Amino acid sequence: DADVTQTPRNRITKTGKRIMLECSQTKGHDRMYWYRQDPGLGLRLIYYSFDVKDINKGEISDGYSVSRQAQAKFSLSLESAIPNQTALYFCATSGDRGDEQYFGPGTRLTVT
Amino acid sequence: AQKITQTQPGMFVQEKEAVTLDCTYDTSDPSYGLFWYKQPSSGEMIFLIYQGSYDQQNATEGRYSLNFQKARKSANLVISASQLGDSAMYFCAMREGNRDDKIIFGKGTRLHILP
Repeated sequence: DADVTQTPRNRITKTGKRIMLECSQTKGHDRMYWYRQDPGLGLRLIYYSFDVKDINKGEISDGYSVSRQAQAKFSLSLESAIPNQTALYFCATSGDRGDEQYFGPGTRLTVT
Repeated sequence: AQKITQTQPGMFVQEKEAVTLDCTYDTSDPSYGLFWYKQPSSGEMIFLIYQGSYDQQNATEGRYSLNFQKARKSANLVISASQLGDSAMYFCAMREGNRDDKIIFGKGTRLHILP
């Protein structure tokens, strides 16, 4: 079984809808991250969390919110989706040393 | 100014040859970490190798090694004896200090291995 899983893997939604992307990990890591990937722009950090009570904004947090329900679960929400949020979204985890990151398989989100 | 620069948008290399993927970075923080990731056409991100700014030796992981030249702010990935399965997008990334809000990715290099 994969160490980091994401659901759904693909999602098409309409402008204005609320959508939640979920991430679960079995690595026992405290650090978790959400990134988005756009063609030609690489990955950009949306939010990150050091533990259940510690959530921090990344480079591009506007329009997004997160919830760390447990050490193993970190969800990303788009309260009112807009077309420029169409992207590939990755969840990742890291141990305390931060010298490795393990990524989930990605969620391809399309907002029409 | 870009913090992470990957100057090779695409590369074509013959199978079994060694490959060097370039990455330069910009930071004034004396403590930082450098990462390389592989993204095959299937889309997943695969961690390859890590180099800390205070590490005395260049990092190696199997066929991957990181040519870390601190004074030049360069962290090139070297793949020895390339294989067809190495064809993918490769990303260089940096974390400044121990701050996870300062993780920055380059725009990537697409590597094509030719049979």
